[in-house]
Amino acid sequence: AQTVTQSQPEMSVQEAETVTLSCTYDTSENNYYLFWYKQPPSRQMILVIRQEAYKQQNATENRFSVNFQKAAKSFSLKISDSQLGDTAMYFCALGVGQAGTALIFGKGTTLSVSS
Amino acid sequence: EPEVTQTPSHQVTQMGQEVILRCVPISNHLYFYWYRQILGQKVEFLVSFYNNEISEKSEIFDDQFSVERPDGSNFTLKIRSTKLEDSAMYFCASSVGLIFYGYTFGSGTRLTVV
Repeated sequence: AQTVTQSQPEMSVQEAETVTLSCTYDTSENNYYLFWYKQPPSRQMILVIRQEAYKQQNATENRFSVNFQKAAKSFSLKISDSQLGDTAMYFCALGVGQAGTALIFGKGTTLSVSS
Repeated sequence: EPEVTQTPSHQVTQMGQEVILRCVPISNHLYFYWYRQILGQKVEFLVSFYNNEISEKSEIFDDQFSVERPDGSNFTLKIRSTKLEDSAMYFCASSVGLIFYGYTFGSGTRLTVV
């Protein structure tokens, strides 16, 4: 069975600072993908960044980057130059195998960015 | 940018009543999903749908749930006899195929069972 664990229920950061959200996962499969989704107060789930397990290079999308440690099964999200609009719940998710299979989500981390 | 559209945004229903939640996936996507999120808790997978049939379902998706693609654009989730514990946010999602591209989620329907 696949699991995703986010051990930080809440985090806070000041504008312009950098914050790192943690995620660990467990799967016995070799072919899998990892995602970070953002859920702002509007409740819509927005894809932030994705990582293929077979790629060693860490994914980057503008101010968002990941630290993917495959051996440790760790997938953390770093947000640089935090903005007020980054305030949201962040979910780490794991997708295994073929198209159409379920994404497994962690419990989420609530991030608050203050001025 | 293409969106997944869900209606209604909020529905209140009496316990025991049937509800239908509606979704319009992105037009060129092939896989459709329903997830639910009980307030303050994690997002849980309910069911995936491909080629007009269920491809995967979770333990939550029991006989009181059903899904349908009644026409070329809509994807619906029916709850036959609602219970108080069905109160949650229900998210529809769609994907083009490969997991790499991720899933596009709708804005959700908040279901309140009273």
